[in-house]
Amino acid sequence: GNSVTQMEGPVTLSEEAFLTINCTYTATGYPSLFWYVQYPGEGLQLLLKATKADDKGSNKGFEATYRKETTSFHLEKGSVQVSDSAVYFCATPGAGGYQKVTFGIGTKLQVIP
Amino acid sequence: DVKVTQSSRYLVKRTGEKVFLECVQDMDHENMFWYRQDPGLGLRLIYFSYDVKMKEKGDIPEGYSVSREKKERFSLILESASTNQTSMYLCASSLDGGTGTEAFFGQGTRLTVV
Repeated sequence: GNSVTQMEGPVTLSEEAFLTINCTYTATGYPSLFWYVQYPGEGLQLLLKATKADDKGSNKGFEATYRKETTSFHLEKGSVQVSDSAVYFCATPGAGGYQKVTFGIGTKLQVIP
Repeated sequence: DVKVTQSSRYLVKRTGEKVFLECVQDMDHENMFWYRQDPGLGLRLIYFSYDVKMKEKGDIPEGYSVSREKKERFSLILESASTNQTSMYLCASSLDGGTGTEAFFGQGTRLTVV
């Protein structure tokens, strides 16, 4: 079945630094790919998504491009802020039907002033 | 805005107790989910429901059951709580809208079993 592998954290960056969080996928075909974010004390919320190969998802200054050549969907942001401190999850529909999304282990990002 | 509400933010229960975690969504979504979140393991699907009274096991259903008597409500039941069920539990819902459909999450219930 489909799965994602994302880099382990935690990642600590200074404010205004460049962020990359790596995510690679294993899949049959080209499933949708998602990045979810979990701010402290909250549930997950969708940050961005791409539904087909070569799509770019973007939101709140974050971007990720669905690259079939490298089976990757890396999350990037050019200049992080303290308010971006959160846990980031890569995800894709898993085995047994598109409704059931499978998540990576999560990468905790801490941005220091 | 879609709202998914979990009945408790924090719960402390004793080993062997029967525990009910409740989740309600207000957007008429067909699909509802229960995940548990543990450090280093990410989110793991416990159970999934795609319609009233319909359910499917996820990746880690052992020790859990679910109930969906109304479309908006999905309950997770720990028949006999054990300490290894201490975790963060997240409820989610989604439309039955295809592979790119977004899931909406509640704030989570942190359950401690002592």
